[in-house]
Amino acid sequence: EPEVTQTPSHQVTQMGQEVILRCVPISNHLYFYWYRQILGQKVEFLVSFYNNEISEKSEIFDDQFSVERPDGSNFTLKIRSTKLEDSAMYFCASRVTGMRQPQHFGDGTRLSIL
Amino acid sequence: KQEVTQIPAALSVPEGENLVLNCSFTDSAIYNLQWFRQDPGKGLTSLLLIQSSQREQTSGRLNASLDKSSGRSTLYIAASQPGDSATYLCAAPTGGGNKLTFGTGTQLKVEL
Repeated sequence: EPEVTQTPSHQVTQMGQEVILRCVPISNHLYFYWYRQILGQKVEFLVSFYNNEISEKSEIFDDQFSVERPDGSNFTLKIRSTKLEDSAMYFCASRVTGMRQPQHFGDGTRLSIL
Repeated sequence: KQEVTQIPAALSVPEGENLVLNCSFTDSAIYNLQWFRQDPGKGLTSLLLIQSSQREQTSGRLNASLDKSSGRSTLYIAASQPGDSATYLCAAPTGGGNKLTFGTGTQLKVEL
């Protein structure tokens, strides 16, 4: 069965450094999402992306965050200048067209900011 | 704004027991609701997707129900096993892009 794949599984970065989290959504999916989960807290929506542009973003998704689909297969989340509070598990998800379709999630990237 | 609540926050049961996990949501204008399982430090495994037109959805020992009018969904686990120990999350979609709003989860422990 097709899967959403995320790399790396764990990223350790110094505060202030830029980090790029990578996702390969399922190939025929057109809607892409990033969520994050701070340890012990809820999974929170960050951003949704469709047709090469952001369709919705949360208050968390400020100017330090950006997303990109640089080619036909990858979907990336960039954090420009990481803060300690960016430490979290980041999940990528994708779905096909259709409001009734489920989102399929990757296994996540654990981001640790030192 | 969609808000999703799950009770109980934690549950410990002996093996073999049937159990019910509860999820409530404030905005009933949803197309569906998803239930996920999360093992400690791991990703999200989709268990069931129940459409708004359905009242129940079953997969093996799991059964999810949805009552949009009351803003509630339940996940029923039959004959629980130690391998069912995990955190169970429900998530309701909102907005044009169908972003998911997650509950805080129910942490289930099934003991031998």
